[in-house]
Amino acid sequence: GAVVSQHPSWVICKSGTSVKIECRSLDFQATTMFWYRQFPKQSLMLMATSNEGSKATYEQGVEKDKFLINHASLTLSTLTVTSAHPEDSSFYICSAANAPTLQETQYFGPGTRLLVL
Amino acid sequence: DAKTTQPPSMDCAEGRAANLPCNHSTISGNEYVYWYRQIHSQGPQYIIHGLKNNETNEMASLIITEDRKSSTLILPHATLRDTAVYYCIVIGFTGNQFYFGTGTSLTVIP
Repeated sequence: GAVVSQHPSWVICKSGTSVKIECRSLDFQATTMFWYRQFPKQSLMLMATSNEGSKATYEQGVEKDKFLINHASLTLSTLTVTSAHPEDSSFYICSAANAPTLQETQYFGPGTRLLVL
Repeated sequence: DAKTTQPPSMDCAEGRAANLPCNHSTISGNEYVYWYRQIHSQGPQYIIHGLKNNETNEMASLIITEDRKSSTLILPHATLRDTAVYYCIVIGFTGNQFYFGTGTSLTVIP
């Protein structure tokens, strides 16, 4: 149980284009999903917290207009990197939890590797 | 901000127990200690978590000191597949954001 998937697993795009990454909880309902970014040889950095049916909460320094997050259902959240540039190349990882306010184990997806040329 | 400190790297012989320490001296009474690991180019995998009692599951044991200022993750019989970066995370009862520190890179040696 507690499986989280991401699609695509990797993507290459041209600078200036937008890229959408999907995160799905396959066998549980995720009231809260999280998006992280990880650069090579660094730790995961939390970008935003997404609650189903409401606006995402972004961490300090993360541009909400550049990283659009939608959490329209209890099993799906999407991250759209708008007008991607080479510096956005990174490993993007989502996680899901099934409780909105209580301490709850997060289950992580396998990650999406983005390369912007 | 990460509330934990871990050694950057450790080695362990295959078949031996791997003991990974974590300091969380500013932990408060309602904060849990979580352990995850990340194998290269994959998403983090949940291992175990605890509040104040020692915990054990099929993957590992978690030993939390009585003052809760530190903990140790124990992999009882390390295998080559346990080579990964291990993260210790402290999370409060009413908030569920995970802030990852730098973790410990564990290398299991044949």
